[in-house]
Amino acid sequence: EVVLTQSPATLSLSPGERATLSCRASQSVSYYLAWYQQKPGQAPRLLIYDASNRATGIPARFSGSGSGTDFTLTISSLEPDDFAVYYCQQRSNWLTFGGGTKVEI
Amino acid sequence: QVQLQESGPGLVKPSQTLSLTCTVSGGSISSGNYYWSWIRQHPGKGLEWIGYIYYSGSTYYNPSLRGLVTISLDPSKNQFSLKLTSVTAADTAVYYCARVDRDVSRALDCWGQGTLVTVSS
Repeated sequence: EVVLTQSPATLSLSPGERATLSCRASQSVSYYLAWYQQKPGQAPRLLIYDASNRATGIPARFSGSGSGTDFTLTISSLEPDDFAVYYCQQRSNWLTFGGGTKVEI
Repeated sequence: QVQLQESGPGLVKPSQTLSLTCTVSGGSISSGNYYWSWIRQHPGKGLEWIGYIYYSGSTYYNPSLRGLVTISLDPSKNQFSLKLTSVTAADTAVYYCARVDRDVSRALDCWGQGTLVTVSS
């Protein structure tokens, strides 16, 4: 099983600041990594697929990078609506998710 | 716009079988472009993929749950279903159905709202 480790667990920032979230895989997953945003009481929403491709309707302030075992989700300038939990997910070996990073004010 | 909606009992007794259905509207589950998936989220925790099914009937399950899980399709009702046998309190979770885009993103691009299932006597 591919284990995804996300860091930090919590990120405390203010609107307008830059957020950098990390996801590390226990073995190479190539570029087969996606990012999701989840708000309380809601289902996750796809943000990024294949490491760096924005899903339909996702604002340009969200960007993804990385390959192999190290990946990053960057939110260039936080909007109030961006405070949520973010999960990474790999599809190289079945599907597994990271433990999540909470972005809070 | 495709929408997915989970339905089923919110309370299941230990050792019994958890059964949920996902109804797909605005699109056909017989489309070869998607896998139809179940994911769960334990209270206050992260996400766990349970498995998915293709329109052909081929199924793929999380190895940690294999033997306990069955996912099936009912094209006549545009639904797919989850059965999880011999449940324990550890199976208490919010269960989501979702769609995997097989051709473009190959990610979970559309989700139901989720349904809480509690395992308790």
